[in-house]
Amino acid sequence: DAKTTQPNSMESNEEEPVHLPCNHSTISGTDYIHWYRQLPSQGPEYVIHGLTSNVNNRMASLAIAEDRKSSTLILHRATLRDAAVYYCILRDVGNQFYFGTGTSLTVIP
Amino acid sequence: DVKVTQSSRYLVKRTGEKVFLECVQDMDHENMFWYRQDPGLGLRLIYFSYDVKMKEKGDIPEGYSVSREKKERFSLILESASTNQTSMYLCASSLRQGFGGELFFGEGSRLTVL
Repeated sequence: DAKTTQPNSMESNEEEPVHLPCNHSTISGTDYIHWYRQLPSQGPEYVIHGLTSNVNNRMASLAIAEDRKSSTLILHRATLRDAAVYYCILRDVGNQFYFGTGTSLTVIP
Repeated sequence: DVKVTQSSRYLVKRTGEKVFLECVQDMDHENMFWYRQDPGLGLRLIYFSYDVKMKEKGDIPEGYSVSREKKERFSLILESASTNQTSMYLCASSLRQGFGGELFFGEGSRLTVL
């Protein structure tokens, strides 16, 4: 089963960009890369996903390496509300989602 | 607004009790999932279902069973609760539209087994 590896924690200053890395060296050709975040006392919420090309939405950007073995979630201007645990996960052909342990992001005012 | 609703936010049960965790989604999703979340271990998949009356084991199904009699409802059952099943339980759903569809989560059910 494909799995992901993320740093346990990261810090960022408010209003600066944040780059959250994820390694998924065993990814298969049909696995989608998803990112979710979890605020305290809430269930995870969807952020963005992609397959091969870089993706942008109103929340963030997703940069996918050419070999697809790594990806980076980019928050363009971190706010205090972005402090959360960010999960990089893979969705496989069997519709399963494989979660890692996530990166706890601290935003410093 | 899409919604996944878990029946109880907090439960306290005794060892050996039978526990039912209910999850309902209003988005007509085919796929439904049950995860447990523990500190340092992230989210681990217990069971998932891709259709009514269908179920598949996830990574940690031991000690759990599930029921999906209607498309919108997915129940997690602990036949005989044990203290090591104290955890946060998260239900999620998604469309079965190829491989890209996002997961929608409920707010979680925190179970304590004494």
